[in-house]
Amino acid sequence: AQSVAQPEDQVNVAEGNPLTVKCTYSVSGNPYLFWYVQYPNRGLQFLLKYITGDNLVKGSYGFEAEFNKSQTSFHLKKPSALVSDSALYFCAVRDMDSGNTPLVFGKGTRLSVIA
Amino acid sequence: DSGVTQTPKHLITATGQRVTLRCSPRSGDLSVYWYQQSLDQGLQFLIQYYNGEERAKGNILERFSAQQFPDLHSELNLSSLELGDSALYFCASSPRGHRVVDEQFFGPGTRLTVL
Repeated sequence: AQSVAQPEDQVNVAEGNPLTVKCTYSVSGNPYLFWYVQYPNRGLQFLLKYITGDNLVKGSYGFEAEFNKSQTSFHLKKPSALVSDSALYFCAVRDMDSGNTPLVFGKGTRLSVIA
Repeated sequence: DSGVTQTPKHLITATGQRVTLRCSPRSGDLSVYWYQQSLDQGLQFLIQYYNGEERAKGNILERFSAQQFPDLHSELNLSSLELGDSALYFCASSPRGHRVVDEQFFGPGTRLTVL
């Protein structure tokens, strides 16, 4: 079975500081990994994905994520946080070797960027 | 704007009733996914349709059913509603259903309140 853990319910960071939102995953095969963001009263928006290749993936709004196979992690990062980055962030995984299994989402991490 | 539309935006009903949620995918997308988002359960995958056929099933109750029509819009039917069914219901679409690399595009959601 595949699963995702986002160990922090809430992350607080000062504007201009770097931010990290953590994600670890568990799959039996190789993973496809995604990050989505949800702003208040909106649906989820795709930020970035890892399929294969370079472990550092760059996405929308200056976000990037690093795939670490040995640590089964896919942490989301941004060098300099903006107040407008405050939102709910979801990590998701799909096992690429197990047929048409659906995406499994983490429970979400609420990011609060303080001015 | 993701291009995915959902109606209605809000729905308030009573226990025991039946409701229908509607989703129109992005133009050209063949897959439609339904998710339930609640505070305690996070984002739960319910069901996926690809070009009119059921492709994957998640934690969908027997009281819930869905279908995808020839014009590719989809409906999620919830019957014998219980208080615990109160949640945000999201629809998402993707270009294909069997290509695991496709990201999903989410609609704005339908907020269901069961009183």
